Amino acid sequence: QVRLQESGPGLVRPSETLSLTCAVSGYSISSGYYWGWLRQAPGKGLEWIASFYHSGSNTYNPSLRSRVSISVDTATNQFSLSLTSVTAADSAVYYCARRYRHCPATSSCYITDAFDLWGQGTKVLVSS
Amino acid sequence: QSALTQPASVSGSPGQSITISCTGTSSDIGMYDYVSWYQQHPGKAPQLLIYDVAKWPSGASNRFSGSKSGNTASLTISGLLAEDEADYYCCSYTVDSTLIFGGGTKVTVL
Repeated sequence: QVRLQESGPGLVRPSETLSLTCAVSGYSISSGYYWGWLRQAPGKGLEWIASFYHSGSNTYNPSLRSRVSISVDTATNQFSLSLTSVTAADSAVYYCARRYRHCPATSSCYITDAFDLWGQGTKVLVSS
Repeated sequence: QSALTQPASVSGSPGQSITISCTGTSSDIGMYDYVSWYQQHPGKAPQLLIYDVAKWPSGASNRFSGSKSGNTASLTISGLLAEDEADYYCCSYTVDSTLIFGGGTKVTVL
């Protein structure tokens, strides 16, 4: 059974860097699939942050691109999100997730743009 | 990059069918058949219901169905159950190779 678990500081000071980690169990992230980070501000909707493959091919939300970086550690089977210069607007529940891979009976598998497996989320508050 | 437009709330009685709309532009929903829908119960992570406009992922209920016409996608819930009371989000791939979500719709089962 594949599981994702986010971890990180619950409180970050304004202007500092937010760092989160997603530990994947039950599957090697270097074996395939695309992964992603998403977030949800209190009482608000979902926001996509970034999608990536273990060997690169990263895509980012244009509104966050200049402040976001993604790193992948295949040795520990984890990937991380770094968000610089945070403000109160970055307070949210942050989720890591896996993009769904569909395998039709009569053709090759392909990775969709939907996320079928999510971590439980980690709450981050940006406050002094 | 503006969010996709969803109604804030939709309600229905048990057993009924309801439809949630999701309106985008010719640069996202109108251009690609890459619309997905998610259900989220309070305090829980989202759960994938539909991908590629109208396909069900493994294990998803076929009481949820998706469709698209022009720049608008729709999610229909058939045979409404009390457990369907939740927030629902649409998501679309865009011409910029990014993903954009709708603002969410709260479904109430009367």
